Parts: sequence; structure tokens; C-alpha cells
Amino acid sequence: AQSVTQLDSQVPVFEEAPVELRCNYSSSVSVYLFWYVQYPNQGLQLLLKYLSGSTLVKGINGFEAEFNKSQTSFHLRKPSVHISDTAEYFCAVSGGADKLIFGTGTRLQVFP
Amino acid sequence: SAVISQKPSRDICQRGTSLTIQCQVDSQVTMMFWYRQQPGQSLTLIATANQGSEATYESGFVIDKFPISRPNLTFSTLTVSNMSPEDSSIYLCSVEGLDGYTFGSGTRLTVV
Repeated sequence: AQSVTQLDSQVPVFEEAPVELRCNYSSSVSVYLFWYVQYPNQGLQLLLKYLSGSTLVKGINGFEAEFNKSQTSFHLRKPSVHISDTAEYFCAVSGGADKLIFGTGTRLQVFP
Repeated sequence: SAVISQKPSRDICQRGTSLTIQCQVDSQVTMMFWYRQQPGQSLTLIATANQGSEATYESGFVIDKFPISRPNLTFSTLTVSNMSPEDSSIYLCSVEGLDGYTFGSGTRLTVV
């Protein structure tokens, strides 16, 4: 079975500063990893995904994440955040052709 | 990626009643997933629905409370039965595609 841990429930950051949202996973099989964003009162939007291949994955809105198998991590990063990045971010894991399990979420709050 | 039409988008229901949520996918999919997102929380998987077989429920969810139908490869319903205020949540369906998982826009349920 898979599980996901998002270590930070809230991350406050000033505009134009870099940010890292942490995600660790646990799985006994090969995994697919995802980051989703949820803006207030909106649905889920896929930011990026790791299925195979290069461990550095680039997504939308300038976000990227690195799959680290030895540390079982998939941290999300952005070099310079904007006010509009304020949202809830969810890390999720799947064993492939299988259910998607979500972490508890990290609220990113960007201040001017 | 698949496109999911979910309805209703929102509803306000009296306690003790039932609500059926529908999801229609624009392509055939083997598995459909139903999630619940309680206020301020992450997404929790309720069950996995395969066409032609009984749905598989996650721990803490039972068929009597959340009966699911999957009559064909493009459609599924989730019923929230005998509702109480604790059932107030957003309910989402999801399917897996070649590019990852797609989610419906959600049903925002308020039980009064």
C-alpha cells in the first residue's frame, strides 16, 4: 500500500521568494507521483507528474519537482512565487493502474 | 485526457435524505474512483468502481452508506444515504488516463 506525508501544513512566504513544499511517500512498488493545486473554491488542477524517466519534472506555472528514490521524496519547488500562487497544494501517489492516495495538503500563503 | 461531467455541482439537502451524484466520462475507462473532501481537508478515497463488479470500499466507508453503481464503462453514480450534517463535503469522481488522473469538478453537498 502507498502513503504520502506532506510535512508542512502551511508555508508562508513573501512574493518573489523561492519556495519548497515537501512530500515524502511510502510504497512497496514502483510509484507514480503527482502534485495538484486547488485554488480557493475551485477544483483540482494537475501541476506536474512523475511517471518514469528524468527525475526532474517541470510543470505548469513555473513549478518543478524532483523524484528522489533513495529519500522517497518528491518535493515541489518554485524559484520565485507570485501572489497568485496562494492555494492548497496536494502531493499524491499511485502504484500505477491503481487508486491515487493524497497527502494532507500544504497551504501556500504568499504575502506582498 | 478524459473529460468528466459531474452533477449536480452543489446541493443543499435535509438530514435523513439521500443524494445521488452522477459522473459521465467522454471515453471508456476501466476504473472510476470516488473521493470525499471534507471542509478544509484533503481528498479521501471512498471507493473504486469497476464495471461489472462490486465497488471496492476503503476503510471507514461502507456500501450501505455510499452505494455505487457502474452500469457501463463511461458512467457511475455515488449515493450518499441517510445524510447527516457530517456528510457535508465535496464529492469528486476521478478516472485514470494516459497522462494521469482526471477529476470531475465536484459536488458541494451541504446537509442541514
